[in-house]
Amino acid sequence: GQQLNQSPQSMFIQEGEDVSMNCTSSSIFNTWLWYKQDPGEGPVLLIALYKAGELTSNGRLTAQFGITRKDSFLNISASIPSDVGIYFCAGRGAGGGNKLTFGTGTQLKVEL
Amino acid sequence: DAMVIQNPRYQVTQFGKPVTLSCSQTLNHNVMYWYQQKSSQAPKLLFHYYDKDFNNEADTPDNFQSRRPNTSFCFLDIRSPGLGDAAMYLCATSRARSSYEQYFGPGTRLTVT
Repeated sequence: GQQLNQSPQSMFIQEGEDVSMNCTSSSIFNTWLWYKQDPGEGPVLLIALYKAGELTSNGRLTAQFGITRKDSFLNISASIPSDVGIYFCAGRGAGGGNKLTFGTGTQLKVEL
Repeated sequence: DAMVIQNPRYQVTQFGKPVTLSCSQTLNHNVMYWYQQKSSQAPKLLFHYYDKDFNNEADTPDNFQSRRPNTSFCFLDIRSPGLGDAAMYLCATSRARSSYEQYFGPGTRLTVT
């Protein structure tokens, strides 16, 4: 089946630093979504991407739909303590209906 | 504010004792999903409804059942919980069959003793 690999698995950064993470697949996806999950809570949708090459921002967050349609990237600028959490990418493959395939997650920890 | 609500947030049940988790939504979305999420893992889809049309994942155990009596409510029934069923259960919605953005509730943490 389709799998999404996220990198890095975890990162520990200083407050104020920029953060980059990515999500890759061996197959093509038609939609990419990025979610953030705080401990004990449900995932919150951050950004949705629908076209190859699309670059979309939401405040300090910027995400891109890779040209090959097999990857996506999320950048966070000037990180703050509340950015701590697990970031999941999710993709909808061809013929997948509404079902999403979730990535393995990137855990972000911010040092003050 | 429109939202997805899950009750209770924490549920403790005994091994083998049936339990029901509930989800309601004020978004008037057509599609509702149930996911299971174990610690440090991605959410795993159990089943979903397009309106009243039920769609089960092939690897969802028979122990898990669902009901959607109306647009707003959806229930997850675990008929005989085992220790391995302890997890966070997440409900999500999307607007329509052609909509891919899913909106999640806060989850119910199930403990099996």
